Amino acid sequence: EPEVTQTPSHQVTQMGQEVILRCVPISNHLYFYWYRQILGQKVEFLVSFYNNEISEKSEIFDDQFSVERPDGSNFTLKIRSTKLEDSAMYFCASNLLPREGGYTFGSGTRLTVV
Amino acid sequence: GEDVEQSLFLSVREGDSSVINCTYTDSSSTYLYWYKQEPGAGLQLLTYIFSNMDMKQDQRLTVLLNKKDKHLSLRIADTQTGDSAIYFCAESRRSGNTPLVFGKGTRLSVIA
Repeated sequence: EPEVTQTPSHQVTQMGQEVILRCVPISNHLYFYWYRQILGQKVEFLVSFYNNEISEKSEIFDDQFSVERPDGSNFTLKIRSTKLEDSAMYFCASNLLPREGGYTFGSGTRLTVV
Repeated sequence: GEDVEQSLFLSVREGDSSVINCTYTDSSSTYLYWYKQEPGAGLQLLTYIFSNMDMKQDQRLTVLLNKKDKHLSLRIADTQTGDSAIYFCAESRRSGNTPLVFGKGTRLSVIA
């Protein structure tokens, strides 16, 4: 079964550093998303991306965050200057078309900011 | 704003039925989902229900929706140790490409 692949599985970074989280969505999917889950809290929506532009974003997705689809396969989330409170599990997801069946999620990248 | 609430823990004996409950606040919720997260893995879509349905059955899984009370439940029949995981309830107002609103997840522990 096709999978959404995320790398790395765990990243440790110093506060103030830039990080790029990488995702390879399912190849024929058109809609891409980032969600995050701070330890012990809810899974929260960050951003959705379609047709090479952001289609929706949450309040969490401020100027420190950006997304890019640099080629035909990767979908990246960049955090420019990480803060301690950015420590979380970040999930990438993709979807072929707006449909009732939900998304396919990756296994997540655990980001630890020290 | 939208909110989804779940109890945090559930413990059942192997072979018994598990019932995981969820309440939501958004009356315009159109789709309601159950996702499963095993240790170290991503969120796996288990099943979903459209808001004009009140029940959906898929093998050992039964989803019940009480739209009046905004209450969703997931019943797992004949629970196995492999069912031990965190189960997330989620809702969205429209199909597919709209943000999901998740609950905190219910950790199901199955005792052999």
